[in-house]
Amino acid sequence: GAVVSQHPSRVICKSGTSVKIECRSLDFQATTMFWYRQFPKQSLMLMATSNEGSKATYEQGVEKDKFLINHASLTLSTLTVTSAHPEDSSFYICSASGGNTGELFFGEGSRLTVL
Amino acid sequence: GENVEQHPSTLSVQEGDSAVIKCTYSDSASNYFPWYKQELGKGPQLIIDIRSNVGEKKDQRIAVTLNKTAKHFSLHITETQPEDSAVYFCAASNPGNQFYFGTGTSLTVIP
Repeated sequence: GAVVSQHPSRVICKSGTSVKIECRSLDFQATTMFWYRQFPKQSLMLMATSNEGSKATYEQGVEKDKFLINHASLTLSTLTVTSAHPEDSSFYICSASGGNTGELFFGEGSRLTVL
Repeated sequence: GENVEQHPSTLSVQEGDSAVIKCTYSDSASNYFPWYKQELGKGPQLIIDIRSNVGEKKDQRIAVTLNKTAKHFSLHITETQPEDSAVYFCAASNPGNQFYFGTGTSLTVIP
């Protein structure tokens, strides 16, 4: 199956700093990428949908100035958590849709810990 | 919009037994139904999927069935093994490429 690579897998940062997470589709062109946040033992919470070359669409309650999403190419989307605080600590997962069949594939996830 | 419900939320089976997870959806326009397996600390992995023009699909010990009339689909795992223990998510997708997820089922296979 298609491969979506997410980096870094784990990141620890100090409160007030910004953190960037990258999501790459390695063997297909992803017309749409999605970013999720997942709390322990809970389902995936969609944060935003990004289409290549256009602004991301954020879900209700998600601060777009806090979680900056860039989808500059058909293989790369980035999520930047700006001025991170301890409450932003979570598991962030990206997914990419595209290719010939429109299937959805997930990255490995990024565990963010803000001290 | 679409609403996907998934049951049960937790499931324990003895090794070798079968496990069944059920999902319902509300939007008749949904036409693609993937299932994902998520192990602890990892991203979800696509394990099987079915499209609306098919009623059943099987891949070794895993099968998925779809009833479009009743708007429900199920994941069947036979001859379960301890490595099948994980959280499983169902999803429904429409032609607009929007994906809606169930709340997950935590499967435990007891050796």
